[in-house]
Amino acid sequence: EIVLTQSPGTLSLSPGERATLSCRASQSVSSSYLAWYQQKPGQAPRLLIYGASSRATGIPDRFSGSGSGTDFTLTISRLEPEDFAVYYCQQYGSSPKLTFGGGTKVEIK
Amino acid sequence: QVQLVQSGAEVKKPGASVKVSCKASGYTFTSYYMHWVRQAPGQGLEWMGIINPSGGSTSYAQKFQGRVTMTRDTSTSTVYMELSSLRSEDTAVYYCARDGAPDIVVVPAAPYYYGMDVWGQGTTVTVSS
Repeated sequence: EIVLTQSPGTLSLSPGERATLSCRASQSVSSSYLAWYQQKPGQAPRLLIYGASSRATGIPDRFSGSGSGTDFTLTISRLEPEDFAVYYCQQYGSSPKLTFGGGTKVEIK
Repeated sequence: QVQLVQSGAEVKKPGASVKVSCKASGYTFTSYYMHWVRQAPGQGLEWMGIINPSGGSTSYAQKFQGRVTMTRDTSTSTVYMELSSLRSEDTAVYYCARDGAPDIVVVPAAPYYYGMDVWGQGTTVTVSS
């Protein structure tokens, strides 16, 4: 089973700053099979990125995804107040078997 | 608009079973697979399995094999997730989530993964004696 490790666990930043979130896989993952989600307290997750770098419908362009192989990154270019949340990466494997990373909390500094 | 509406909160005793429903609207029900994901209090997300609403085929995470059953009713555009032999560790919010790939075979393997693009509001299941 592929394990996804997200870092840092918590990121303390101010509005307007750039956020860089990491997702590392225990073995190579196809870029086609990597997604990112945002979750706010008391809400269901929301799809941000699929295929490692494609923004989902309605997602602002300050969110971008990149990476390949075992290292993937979610970047928020300028944090808005509504971006403070927990972010999860997820990979899809055949059978299928889907796994999530442990999450990164982006909090207001 | 596209939405998934789940059934209400449940309280169950250890050893019992729970069945959560997820009613889809605003799109062609049989064209998109449906996932189930759960989240224990203060914890991350855990994938439980997937169902094809068209043919009813399923694939479950190994952890839940033998305890989970996913079914669908095409007449009401509803999918169900039943979890049996409940224990306290099953206390969690359970979500249904649509797979974003239209009319693409996801089980056993999709050629591309579009993510889970629509989520239900979640159903809290509490297991307590």
